[in-house]
Amino acid sequence: EDQVTQSPEALRLQEGESSSLNCSYTVSGLRGLFWYRQDPGKGPEFLFTLYSAGEEKEKERLKATLTKKESFLHITAPKPEDSATYLCVIGGYNKLIFGAGTRLAVHP
Amino acid sequence: GAGVSQTPSNKVTEKGKYVELRCDPISGHTALYWYRQSLGQGPEFLIYFQGTGAADDSGLPNDRFFAVRPEGSVSTLKIQRTERGDSAVYLCASSLGQGTDTQYFGPGTRLTVL
Repeated sequence: EDQVTQSPEALRLQEGESSSLNCSYTVSGLRGLFWYRQDPGKGPEFLFTLYSAGEEKEKERLKATLTKKESFLHITAPKPEDSATYLCVIGGYNKLIFGAGTRLAVHP
Repeated sequence: GAGVSQTPSNKVTEKGKYVELRCDPISGHTALYWYRQSLGQGPEFLIYFQGTGAADDSGLPNDRFFAVRPEGSVSTLKIQRTERGDSAVYLCASSLGQGTDTQYFGPGTRLTVL
């Protein structure tokens, strides 16, 4: 069964304190691994797509990496506006399969 | 350009009532998806449309749930005889095509069944 597990469930950082969010997955045929950001009361906002092991994508303070069984979202020198839930998602046949998310809080 | 829009943003109904939730996808997107998100969880797939037809409805929980997309654009999710367990945020997403195309989400409709 296709499955996505994210850790930690919640993470509290001080502004400027870099860290990484983990996503482990099992899927019969990966059709892309996606990272989304979700703010309270809003729909998920697309960040990155990764297709093959070794691939990396960057956007501002975020960098996503992919191995055959895991993906990491690295956050460098985070700011309070980076506070959100980050969702790891695998592309299955005709649908996306979401992890439960990591709730990130960045404090000044 | 305009993103995915959903109406209403909030819907409160009583147990046993019928509700309709509307989704207006990004113009030109042929694929449309419905997901349901419970508190503290990631969204769960309900149904996928390619054009006017439901290509995959394997996520619909039971026959009280039904969705249509008659002209290949706007979609309506219909829930009959609502139950308290149907309370959740219902999200709609659209993509240019299918498969690995990026899905763009609307803001969701928060449904509360009393």
